[in-house]
Amino acid sequence: GAVVSQHPSWVICKSGTSVKIECRSLDFQATTMFWYRQFPKQSLMLMATSNEGSKATYEQGVEKDKFLINHASLTLSTLTVTSAHPEDSSFYICSARDRKGSANYGYTFGSGTRLTVV
Amino acid sequence: TQLLEQSPQFLSIQEGENLTVYCNSSSVFSSLQWYRQEPGEGPVLLVTVVTGGEVKKLKRLTFQFGDARKDSSLHITAAQPGDTGLYLCAGEEGGFKTIFGAGTRLFVKA
Repeated sequence: GAVVSQHPSWVICKSGTSVKIECRSLDFQATTMFWYRQFPKQSLMLMATSNEGSKATYEQGVEKDKFLINHASLTLSTLTVTSAHPEDSSFYICSARDRKGSANYGYTFGSGTRLTVV
Repeated sequence: TQLLEQSPQFLSIQEGENLTVYCNSSSVFSSLQWYRQEPGEGPVLLVTVVTGGEVKKLKRLTFQFGDARKDSSLHITAAQPGDTGLYLCAGEEGGFKTIFGAGTRLFVKA
């Protein structure tokens, strides 16, 4: 089945530094990938839609200059949290769907990245 | 933007009991997925329903899509501790945008 690899699985960084999270589709191509943020015991909140070869689409309230998204190929999207602060600490998850797939296939999620900013 | 209301938000039951989780919207979705998420992991797709009135079974789990494609339910028969987790419904709007319900946190006690 479809596999999405997300790396790193956890990261601790100092306040003010930047952190890059990678999301790779291993056995399929994805023109669109999604980035979510999840707070403890809550559901997923869509942050942005990553589009291969074009600018990402950000949800209302998400700062595009703080959460930089790059989707340079059909198998890789990256999320960079710039100048991270403790309030950015969260669980970040990406998802993707095979561009040849239909609605019946649902989405494949990465295993998530636990970011802790100290 | 369509909203998905999921209930209950939390459920703690004994092993062997049955339960139903509901996902409701006032709007129509082209498809709806159910996922299960365990702590520290990403959600894992359980099923996708597309056709109004559709019923799908996955072992002890039964999924139903409402006739009008506005609501869905997940029924678990004879719950086991291994069923413990966060269950999420997700409705798909046009253009690949997916809306998630708030989730149902299920705890099955042995």
